[in-house]
Amino acid sequence: DSGVTQTPKHLITATGQRVTLRCSPRSGDLSVYWYQQSLDQGLQFLIQYYNGEERAKGNILERFSAQQFPDLHSELNLSSLELGDSALYFCASSDDLSQGGFDNEQFFGPGTRLTVL
Amino acid sequence: AQSVTQLGSHVSVSEGALVLLRCNYSSSVPPYLFWYVQYPNQGLQLLLKYTSAATLVKGIKGFEAEFKKSETSFHLTKPSAHMSDAAEYFCAVEGSQGNLIFGKGTKLSVKP
Repeated sequence: DSGVTQTPKHLITATGQRVTLRCSPRSGDLSVYWYQQSLDQGLQFLIQYYNGEERAKGNILERFSAQQFPDLHSELNLSSLELGDSALYFCASSDDLSQGGFDNEQFFGPGTRLTVL
Repeated sequence: AQSVTQLGSHVSVSEGALVLLRCNYSSSVPPYLFWYVQYPNQGLQLLLKYTSAATLVKGIKGFEAEFKKSETSFHLTKPSAHMSDAAEYFCAVEGSQGNLIFGKGTKLSVKP
């Protein structure tokens, strides 16, 4: 158990809909990362938040957005869903004490499996 | 730009045999490199990481990896495979934004 929790575990929805995925980082971790894992694209970094502020952006679509709240939990919002958005979405957290230097391990949650029908 | 290439999407070994999973990286700066394992229906777990302290890195579950700059490689090995090692393994390099850039993954099967 990594200490990172994600809800829901599974989500089935229809094209055009909007969903929200939730992540609670490990206690004390200030950084939250979102990754998408799909069969064709593999594991791809979407976005990172550090202590409530967006720090880095990866291959995140404009239809997707995220935020990190004062209690440090994060939400990933996916809108105007398409079939191709079906994937496993992971959240990871780290304490990020070095603030960019990479000696801080990322701990992954169990993921949310999104199916768009 | 940083990237990693994992050679072999599927590797099959017999129980007790050597496990060798290959990873080559591309980076314009000294890289930070990682190996993660993913068991079915679970998240990723860090096996080991290279952060320039030592070229031979020992990780959890009996795995180790050797950083070879001349070969731009960071192959993962384990002397003796167990059935419980069956999983998917991902090599990753730190990106310029502090994120992880993953390879496509290698599925390891262990035959009894």
